[in-house]
Amino acid sequence: DTEVTQTPKHLVMGMTNKKSLKCEQHMGHRAMYWYKQKAKKPPELMFVYSYEKLSINESVPSRFSPECPNSSLLNLHLHALQPEDSALYLCASSHLGLAGGPTYNEQFFGPGTRLTVL
Amino acid sequence: GIQVEQSPPDLILQEGANSTLRCNFSDSVNNLQWFHQNPWGQLINLFYIPSGTKQNGRLSATTVATERYSLLYISSSQTTDSGVYFCAVDPRIIQGGSEKLVFGKGTKLTVNP
Repeated sequence: DTEVTQTPKHLVMGMTNKKSLKCEQHMGHRAMYWYKQKAKKPPELMFVYSYEKLSINESVPSRFSPECPNSSLLNLHLHALQPEDSALYLCASSHLGLAGGPTYNEQFFGPGTRLTVL
Repeated sequence: GIQVEQSPPDLILQEGANSTLRCNFSDSVNNLQWFHQNPWGQLINLFYIPSGTKQNGRLSATTVATERYSLLYISSSQTTDSGVYFCAVDPRIIQGGSEKLVFGKGTKLTVNP
């Protein structure tokens, strides 16, 4: 099974709302990622979790708050977003290399959540 | 940081035609992936190909790591091949750690019937 699932598929929220995006994988991957993609642009990395710990934060504003409750789940909590945060939010997962050994990082992506902030 | 350039930016084909998409990268990479993003936004894995040649049906890919480029070949194109093709590279090797993918800007392919 090479499937990453994301919910919801679409989300419309106001600037004062609090909402969460969810991502799940059952491939035994220990790295999970959030990407943001604006229209006609490539995906841009936001956060990386490895072994359920935040390992990379690409200077993302604090109104985006990631959470990795276990090795299969990844959440992105949203609060006080701006209209310019409207985008496609993609989750991905991959294996991690063993310490001292070669890395293997084929990433698999979910279908995304299309977010509109009014 | 590493630069990833894809060409051409746009490509229009008639059904049945063949095409070659190119990805150049400015530094050594650990991993390279090709994706197809369909009109609904789903990124579909095509190839994981840090070096060498792979084939999958009508698609094949070649990466020449020493010369810092990768090519994606599409033969006998179909309308369902339409979408954006992204090349993405991982520029770092962190033993036991996580890595990041840096995406090119993509090639938008339109296949007309």
